[in-house]
Amino acid sequence: KNEVEQSPQNLTAQEGEFITINCSYSVGISALHWLQQHPGGGIVSLFMLSSGKKKHGRLIATINIQEKHSSLHITASHPRDSAVYICAVSFVDMRFGAGTRLTVKP
Amino acid sequence: EAQVTQNPRYLITVTGKKLTVTCSQNMNHEYMSWYRQDPGLGLRQIYYSMNVEVTDKGDVPEGYKVSRKEKRNFPLILESPSPNQTSLYFCATGGGDLPQHFGDGTRLSIL
Repeated sequence: KNEVEQSPQNLTAQEGEFITINCSYSVGISALHWLQQHPGGGIVSLFMLSSGKKKHGRLIATINIQEKHSSLHITASHPRDSAVYICAVSFVDMRFGAGTRLTVKP
Repeated sequence: EAQVTQNPRYLITVTGKKLTVTCSQNMNHEYMSWYRQDPGLGLRQIYYSMNVEVTDKGDVPEGYKVSRKEKRNFPLILESPSPNQTSLYFCATGGGDLPQHFGDGTRLSIL
């Protein structure tokens, strides 16, 4: 069993839909990171969380430390949100989920 | 502007020929990492460094070396590359309880 599990693996949505990607982890962490990787490979950090909730534009990330679970929400999705979203947890080292491939259709 | 610069971006080489992928950052971050990304396996940490002269193994360190002689640079060294090291490599700062900044990646093919 992976230490970091993401769901779903693939997600297709229509433009405007509300999207949720989930991440569960089984190890102790100091922080959880949400990353975005567009086709072509570059990786961008969206959020780093150690508690509660963060919001940036249409993106919201939450974490429940007791349940070892985090969610990434995208409101009013747009085709430019199409990317792979990766959950990662850190203590001293970094452990990654397998990623969620999101496709938003116009 | 915060930058992590990797070189080269692309490299095709042959088995056994030593190579170095350089990584440089301008953010004065203490924590730096190297990752490899493979289809179906995702991102995996190779080595990380929490400060100058302090390095530690990640998940997949076999066949790699690193050094951290100064804060801004963290080169990845493949002493005797093999085809199973063909991959997409990323250098990054941050991690731990700091946000991460990634380099643009190095696509390495070993024939």
